[in-house]
This record gives sequence, structure tokens and C-alpha cells, in this order.
Amino acid sequence: DQQVKQNSPSLSVQEGRISILNCDYTNSMFDYFLWYKKYPAEGPTFLISISSIKDKNEDGRFTVFLNKSAKHLSLHIVPSQPGDSAVYFCAAASGSARQLTFGSGTQLTVLP
Amino acid sequence: NAGVTQTPKFQVLKTGQSMTLQCAQDMNHNSMYWYRQDPGMGLRLIYYSASEGTTDKGEVPNGYNVSRLNKREFSLRLESAAPSQTSVYFCASSPRDREVFGPGTRLTVL
Repeated sequence: DQQVKQNSPSLSVQEGRISILNCDYTNSMFDYFLWYKKYPAEGPTFLISISSIKDKNEDGRFTVFLNKSAKHLSLHIVPSQPGDSAVYFCAAASGSARQLTFGSGTQLTVLP
Repeated sequence: NAGVTQTPKFQVLKTGQSMTLQCAQDMNHNSMYWYRQDPGMGLRLIYYSASEGTTDKGEVPNGYNVSRLNKREFSLRLESAAPSQTSVYFCASSPRDREVFGPGTRLTVL
């Protein structure tokens, strides 16, 4: 039973447009959410996070939105750049232990 | 400051062989983790160590053992490798609010 789901395995977007990556979760105990970016043959790198006490967090071109009632979060990238092409993982954690549960990832391709 | 380092980068084993994956971090983080990544399944937690001297099972611990040798080092051992353990293994460490990942070890078990 996947507690964190990324239902779109892939997404293609034109350079300069908005990329929207989605993530759903089922465990209502999750109170902290993160997005990681992963290039081939490298480890995932942290992108942005959000606590459940917020519904939005921004960092430059990246914004994460959290809808607790729908158990849904999304990552917006504006404007998208070819260097953003990577696999994006959504992750969630609960309590002080902060062990992460990951989604299966979405491959984003930004076309020049 | 090298972050999280993992050795080896690649390894091919035969079924039944044993090996140890090494991980070290130089960021003075208390928590360390081992994950495996398989196609279409994201990263799954194998074992973690919240602090030096403690280890706990994650989601998929069967077939693995770990040792938290000191604050810097956290190793993962496969005692008798099986083809189902073919995967990419990532070590990570955490100061609390995010995990910093190593570059990964690609393991193939024939």
C-alpha cells in the first residue's frame, strides 16, 4: 500500500512555461513534506519542503502547495528551464523521527 | 567538505556472495539511512540509525544488516546476495529536517 503516490510517471513541458508536479498521500499523520530532484547516476538532492502548518512555500522559481484536506501537494516550477529536466520525488514524514516515505517519482522533461 | 560518500560505485555479485557497502559523512549529522531504489518504486528505507550506537529496521530490511561504526560511518551488509537485491543503493545523513544523499552504489546480483 503506497502511502505517497505520484500518479504521473512523466511530464513534458516547453521551456519558459510552468511545470506542475503532483503528489497525493494517504497517511494523515504526515506533517512534513519534501521534494527532491534526481539526475541520472547521482543521488537525490533536496529542493524544497513544507510543514503542515503552512499551505505554501516559495524558493525562487519553485513553489510547493499543500492541500491538507485533499491530502495533496504540488510543486510548481516557473519558468521551466532545460536544466530542470530530472526525476522529481515527493517525500513525506511524520513526528520527530523524520524518516521519509517516498513517492515513485515523475520524470520531467523541459523541451527547448 | 565531501558530504556523503559511498563505496563502491558499482558492484557485480554472484548469488550467495556477501559484501559490505560503505558510507561516510563529514557533516556531523546524527542520523544516517540506507535506501534502495528500484524502477517505478521510488526509494525505500532499508535501515536507519538515529544516533551513534543505534540502528532500526525500515520498510525492507530482510536480507540486510547494518553497522553504525561511529558517528561518521554507516555500513550495509548483504550476507548472501540474491537477484532480488539487484538495485541502486543510496546512503543518506540528516541534520533533522532534510536528508543529504550520497551518489549511490549500483549493485547487480547474477
